[in-house]
Amino acid sequence: DVKVTQSSRYLVKRTGEKVFLECVQDMDHENMFWYRQDPGLGLRLIYFSYDVKMKEKGDIPEGYSVSREKKERFSLILESASTNQTSMYLCASSLYAGWSYNEQFFGPGTRLTVL
Amino acid sequence: AQTVTQSQPEMSVQEAETVTLSCTYDTSESDYYLFWYKQPPSRQMILVIRQEAYKQQNATENRFSVNFQKAAKSFSLKISDSQLGDAAMYFCAYRSVNNNDMRFGAGTRLTVKP
Repeated sequence: DVKVTQSSRYLVKRTGEKVFLECVQDMDHENMFWYRQDPGLGLRLIYFSYDVKMKEKGDIPEGYSVSREKKERFSLILESASTNQTSMYLCASSLYAGWSYNEQFFGPGTRLTVL
Repeated sequence: AQTVTQSQPEMSVQEAETVTLSCTYDTSESDYYLFWYKQPPSRQMILVIRQEAYKQQNATENRFSVNFQKAAKSFSLKISDSQLGDAAMYFCAYRSVNNNDMRFGAGTRLTVKP
C-alpha cells in the first residue's frame, strides 16, 4: 500500500514565523501535491511537483513556497505565517499522468493554527 | 478550467438505507477521470470509487456505485445499506487525461443515523 506521511498532525505557530510542513511518500511516485482544505471550499491546490526540483503553481500559491530535493519528499514553506493561513494542509502523491487513473494518495493532514 | 460542484453540503441517512450524493462538473474534454474520495472524521482521505469517462458502464465497489451521465456531466455516488462507518466527508474529483492535478468539489458531509 502507498504510504504518505506528514511530519505533524497539529501545529501551532505565531504570526510572522517561518513554517515548514514535510511530506514523504514511499511508493516512488513522480507527482506530489500540497492542498489546503477549508470548510465549504473543498481542497484547493497550492503547489505540485512532477519531478525532483520541479514545481508548478496551483490555484492559491501566494504566501507559500515548496521544495523538492528528493523524489520521496515534498516540503511546503510558509515564509511568514499569517492568521489567514490557519487551515488543514493535505499532501498527496500520484504516478505520472500517463499511468491510467493516476489517483492521488493522501497523507493524514496537518492542522495548522497561526496565532 | 474545469470546475466540480457538489450541491449538497450535508446529507443524512438512516442506517441500512440508501443515499445518493450529487456531483456535477464542467468540462469541454471528451476523455477524463472521475473519483469519489471519503474523509472520515480525523482520518486520512481514501479513494472510494473511480470512473473513466469513455467507459459507459457505471463503476461499482461493493456497496458503493456511481451513476455516470456523461451528457449531463453528472457523477453521483450511491451508498447502499449505509453503515455507521460511512459517516464522513465525501469529495468528488475530476482529472483530465493528460494533466497531473485534480479538481475537487467542496464536499458533502454525510451523517449516518443509527
